[in-house]
Amino acid sequence: GAVVSQHPSRVICKSGTSVKIECRSLDFQATTMFWYRQFPKQSLMLMATSNEGSKATYEQGVEKDKFLINHASLTLSTLTVTSAHPEDSSFYICSAVGPLAGELFFGEGSRLTVL
Amino acid sequence: TQLLEQSPQFLSIQEGENLTVYCNSSSVFSSLQWYRQEPGEGPVLLVTVVTGGEVKKLKRLTFQFGDARKDSSLHITAAQPGDTGLYLCAGVTPNSGYALNFGKGTSLLVTP
Repeated sequence: GAVVSQHPSRVICKSGTSVKIECRSLDFQATTMFWYRQFPKQSLMLMATSNEGSKATYEQGVEKDKFLINHASLTLSTLTVTSAHPEDSSFYICSAVGPLAGELFFGEGSRLTVL
Repeated sequence: TQLLEQSPQFLSIQEGENLTVYCNSSSVFSSLQWYRQEPGEGPVLLVTVVTGGEVKKLKRLTFQFGDARKDSSLHITAAQPGDTGLYLCAGVTPNSGYALNFGKGTSLLVTP
């Protein structure tokens, strides 16, 4: 089946630095990808919809200047957490719309810890 | 706004017991999916239900989609420790494209 890969799987950074997380569709082209955030023992909260070649659509309450999303190619979307703070520590998960209608594939997730 | 209400949130049972997880909404969904997630990993799709009243079986797991496509249930028969994990229901509404609305999840612990 289609595979979506995220990198890095874990990242620890100092407060105030920026961190970039990559989401790649490995064997298919994904014009649409989604970014989710998940706190411990909680569900996934949709942050934004990433569309190749256009601006991302952010969910209400998500700061677009804080969470920069770039979908520059059909196989790569990136999420940059700018000026990260401890409250940004979370599990970030991406998903990509697969080649068949209704298919959605999830990455393995990236755990961000901001000290 | 939480479109999908999932219950129970936590469930601790012994091996061999049966359990049911519910996913309810006032909204109609084009499709509804059930995922299982292990700590530190992304969700893994278990099943997609599309037709109202649909029942799907996956070994000891039985999934049902309500007639009105507003609710769903997951029933596990003779639970095993390997079933431990976070179970998530997620739905696609007619206007949401492929964006999934997730329930809060059910954290299941099956002890030997």
